[in-house]
Amino acid sequence: GESVGLHLPTLSVQEGDNSIINCAYSNSASDYFIWYKQESGKGPQFIIDIRSNMDKRQGQRVTVLLNKTVKHLSLQIAATQPGDSAVYFCAEREGGSNYKLTFGKGTLLTVNP
Amino acid sequence: DSGVTQTPKHLITATGQRVTLRCSPRSGDLSVYWYQQSLDQGLQFLIQYYNGEERAKGNILERFSAQQFPDLHSELNLSSLELGDSALYFCASSVDRGSTEAFFGQGTRLTVV
Repeated sequence: GESVGLHLPTLSVQEGDNSIINCAYSNSASDYFIWYKQESGKGPQFIIDIRSNMDKRQGQRVTVLLNKTVKHLSLQIAATQPGDSAVYFCAEREGGSNYKLTFGKGTLLTVNP
Repeated sequence: DSGVTQTPKHLITATGQRVTLRCSPRSGDLSVYWYQQSLDQGLQFLIQYYNGEERAKGNILERFSAQQFPDLHSELNLSSLELGDSALYFCASSVDRGSTEAFFGQGTRLTVV
């Protein structure tokens, strides 16, 4: 099926703490998994992606972990800042010739100063 | 600013009417995607065009249609509008047809009354 979902709809953290946002996926044929961030009043913005043959990928203050055994994806944000407050979506790209991106419902991250 | 321009920003129309949403992709991007975002359904993929041709189709209703013109701008036509069509409609673009990094516009908020 085309189900990409999130374990936690909301997450509240203190400024400076690390945040972990989780996502479950169901399509084993997906070749890429992606995280997007959507700030209030704006369109989603690409954060980081990971290819399905990888377990971990790091970016600037963010790390994405992929566990294909349990079909789980997570986004870790280090030293969370107020500017990180947003809705975070995980997405997956179907492999083969169909490059459709399927998004999950999103997790709202609130960073308290 | 993502470089993707959507017009209009807001649209209020009556049930049964027809509207056209317009999208100008980033300069150089050949792929255009349309998404519908509502509170209960999240971000739903509608359709993708690449260099003027339809490449992938999602949960797009028969009352909806889209096209990409030779200058690469795209239009999404919504007809016989229903109250349930009220949502944010996003256009995104990417350089090629399979990029995981899509650049989203700020969306068109459609309200059907």
